[in-house]
Amino acid sequence: GAVVSQHPSRVICKSGTSVKIECRSLDFQATTMFWYRQFPKQSLMLMATSNEGSKATYEQGVEKDKFLINHASLTLSTLTVTSAHPEDSSFYICSAEGPNYGYTFGSGTRLTVV
Amino acid sequence: QQQVKQSPQSLIVQKGGISIINCAYENTAFDYFPWYQQFPGKGPALLIAIRPDVSEKKEGRFTISFNKSAKQFSLHIMDSQPGDSATYFCAVGYSYNFNKFYFGSGTKLNVKP
Repeated sequence: GAVVSQHPSRVICKSGTSVKIECRSLDFQATTMFWYRQFPKQSLMLMATSNEGSKATYEQGVEKDKFLINHASLTLSTLTVTSAHPEDSSFYICSAEGPNYGYTFGSGTRLTVV
Repeated sequence: QQQVKQSPQSLIVQKGGISIINCAYENTAFDYFPWYQQFPGKGPALLIAIRPDVSEKKEGRFTISFNKSAKQFSLHIMDSQPGDSATYFCAVGYSYNFNKFYFGSGTKLNVKP
């Protein structure tokens, strides 16, 4: 089945530093990937749509200069949280449209900014 | 504006019982209705999905019931097991545009042994 690998699963960084999260489709090509943010006990909120070879599309209220998205190949999208602050601490999840109808999600990245 | 409303927020069921989670939506243009299962610290996994041309879809112990006129759909977990304990999300979307895909608020299910 379609597998999406997300790395790292957990990261702790100091305030002001940048963190990169990778999302890979392992056994299929994904021209479009999605990045979500999930706060504790809350639902997933779409942050942006990552398109291979073009600029990402950000949802309203998401700072594109803070959350940099790069989709350089058909199997890899990266999310970089720049100048991270404690309020950026959250669970970030990527997903991709797999060969079967529907999303395939990555396992998520728990970001803690101290 | 919340595109899909999910209830209950939490649910406790005895082992072997039936777990029922409900979702309601307003936009009749939605034509894709999936359910996702999420374990703590993990990403959601697609459980089962339905399109509006059928009223019910069953996969193993999991069944989606869809009421197009009422704009409601529900997930039924038969013979619930402790391993089913997780958070379940319904979602609504468009089959032609995955950019517009909305999740419910989630239901935390606890199946007691």
